[in-house]
Amino acid sequence: GAVVSQHPSWVICKSGTSVKIECRSLDFQATTMFWYRQFPKQSLMLMATSNEGSKATYEQGVEKDKFLINHASLTLSTLTVTSAHPEDSSFYICSASGTSGFNEQFFGPGTRLTVL
Amino acid sequence: AQSVTQPDIHITVSEGASLELRCNYSYGATPYLFWYVQSPGQGLQLLLKYFSGDTLVQGIKGFEAEFKRSQSSFNLRKPSVHWSDAAEYFCAVGATTYGNKLVFGAGTILRVKS
Repeated sequence: GAVVSQHPSWVICKSGTSVKIECRSLDFQATTMFWYRQFPKQSLMLMATSNEGSKATYEQGVEKDKFLINHASLTLSTLTVTSAHPEDSSFYICSASGTSGFNEQFFGPGTRLTVL
Repeated sequence: AQSVTQPDIHITVSEGASLELRCNYSYGATPYLFWYVQSPGQGLQLLLKYFSGDTLVQGIKGFEAEFKRSQSSFNLRKPSVHWSDAAEYFCAVGATTYGNKLVFGAGTILRVKS
């Protein structure tokens, strides 16, 4: 099956710093990538959808200036949490899907962000 | 608006017993249906999916699910649960009408007692 990787798997940072999370599709071209956020004991909430070469589309309530998403190639999307604060601590999961029709999303292993 | 309901937050079953996890959806389009499993601190693993055709779908690890359009349900079943099945299970629904986005249920935590 299709493989999606995320890096780093976990990160601890100080409040006010920025953190970049990478999402890569290793064996297929991902036309679309999705970024989710998961708080402890809660479900996945979609943050944004990114298409290669286009600006990301953010879900209602998600601050686009805080969560910068770049989908520069068909295999890489990045999420940058700018000026992180403790309330941004969460589990961030990306997924990637290919072209045409309804495409199954393949999920990365997630990144645990802790902001001190 | 589209929604997915997993009525059971926690379920506890004995090892070897059968399992059924419920999922109901509300969708204004032809749905694509998924079940995922997540172990603590891990990403999502796809158990099975329904796109079309036979409404009874087989997945990995001995799981199966049945799509019932009349009941707007997609319940997950396993005839005999193993201790390693303890995890959280998410039902998800998508449609091309909604830009291929997935809507997830709240999840059901499965505990297996020996």
